[in-house]
Amino acid sequence: KNEVEQSPQNLTAQEGEFITINCSYSVGISALHWLQQHPGGGIVSLFMLSSGKKKHGRLIATINIQEKHSSLHITASHPRDSAVYICAALSDKLIFGTGTRLQVFP
Amino acid sequence: DAGVTQSPTHLIKTRGQQVTLRCSPKSGHDTVSWYQQALGQGPQFIFQYYEEEERQRGNFPDRFSGHQFPNYSSELNVNALLLGDSALYLCASSLAGAETQYFGPGTRLLVL
Repeated sequence: KNEVEQSPQNLTAQEGEFITINCSYSVGISALHWLQQHPGGGIVSLFMLSSGKKKHGRLIATINIQEKHSSLHITASHPRDSAVYICAALSDKLIFGTGTRLQVFP
Repeated sequence: DAGVTQSPTHLIKTRGQQVTLRCSPKSGHDTVSWYQQALGQGPQFIFQYYEEEERQRGNFPDRFSGHQFPNYSSELNVNALLLGDSALYLCASSLAGAETQYFGPGTRLLVL
């Protein structure tokens, strides 16, 4: 069993839909990262959080430390949101989930 | 201010060869981490360098080695390449003790 699990693996949505990606982890962490990876490989850090909730534009990330669970939400999704979203747990090193491939269609 | 840069962007090698990948960290960063990302998978931690020494290592064989230079740039070396080494190799830099890592664009290695 992976130490960081994401669901779903693949997600398709129509433009404007509300999207949720989930991440569960089994290790002790000091922080959790949400990352976005576009085709070609470049990784962009979206959020780093250790408690509560963070919001940036249409993106919201939440974490529940007791339940070892985090969610990434995208409101009013747009085709340009299409990418792979990866959560990574920071223990003594970064441990990555396998990613969620999101495709948003017009 | 340049972010993390990696070279080359793409590379093709044959089995048994050796390869060296390079990473320049974001200005002011002193710690470099290397990751391997196979197709369709999340990145896997290879090792981390700080003060020119390997500080941490993931579950990779000794064929994977690295180096950090006094200017904090780093190299990843892979010897005796296998087909399974084909992957995107990502470098990330950070300040020692900081939680945020900044990723480079990666080097895509194909082993034939």
